[in-house]
Amino acid sequence: QVQLQESGPGLVKPSETLSLTCTLSSGSISSSSHYWGWIRETPGKGLEWIGSIYYSGDANYSPSLEDRITISLDRSKNQFFLTLNSVTAADMATYYCVRHYKDDAELGVDPWGQGIPVTVTS
Amino acid sequence: DIQLAQSPSFLSASVGDRVTITCRASQDLGTYLAWYQRKAGKAPRLLIYAGSALQSGVPSRFSGGGSGTEFTLAITSLQPEDFATYYCQQLGGYPLTFGGGTKVVMK
Repeated sequence: QVQLQESGPGLVKPSETLSLTCTLSSGSISSSSHYWGWIRETPGKGLEWIGSIYYSGDANYSPSLEDRITISLDRSKNQFFLTLNSVTAADMATYYCVRHYKDDAELGVDPWGQGIPVTVTS
Repeated sequence: DIQLAQSPSFLSASVGDRVTITCRASQDLGTYLAWYQRKAGKAPRLLIYAGSALQSGVPSRFSGGGSGTEFTLAITSLQPEDFATYYCQQLGGYPLTFGGGTKVVMK
């Protein structure tokens, strides 16, 4: 059963870059059936999809964030990554890495990583 | 973007109650809608996918219904562990979007 684990700094300074890693503990990121994505949660806005990537490298991003984000992957390490530039207090959230389906999207998002809280502070 | 209007945003109920949460979409989703449970300190948990299919391991007191633009999540006989926040999500098109959430609290 696929398990996902986020890692990265819990503190980022305003205007700097947030970099997070998601590691698969089992399964393969090279699955042709799945997308690998990032979702964040804030007390004020609830859950927000950030973006997703396919094993080929094709990615879809949230229009509200696409000018600041990059999602990439390393198939050899079974990892995928989130880079968010020019962070502000509005980017303070718990960030989750997730898996969802490519051709059977109605099957939902599962599993989710445990989440990593990110604080933006100088 | 496809907007999801979830209601109510807050629900007060007692153990044993039946509760229903509604999610209305701004476009026809077919059955591309999922429901999640979010408990404090835990990652969201997939409860229902494809509008009405129960995810493996989810108790049968949870049920989903609807298609198109109107969907419901029902919990029959609310249990203490069910007090949580519930979200709907559409997977019919990018960007993927969520409803605003329903917080279920103990009366």
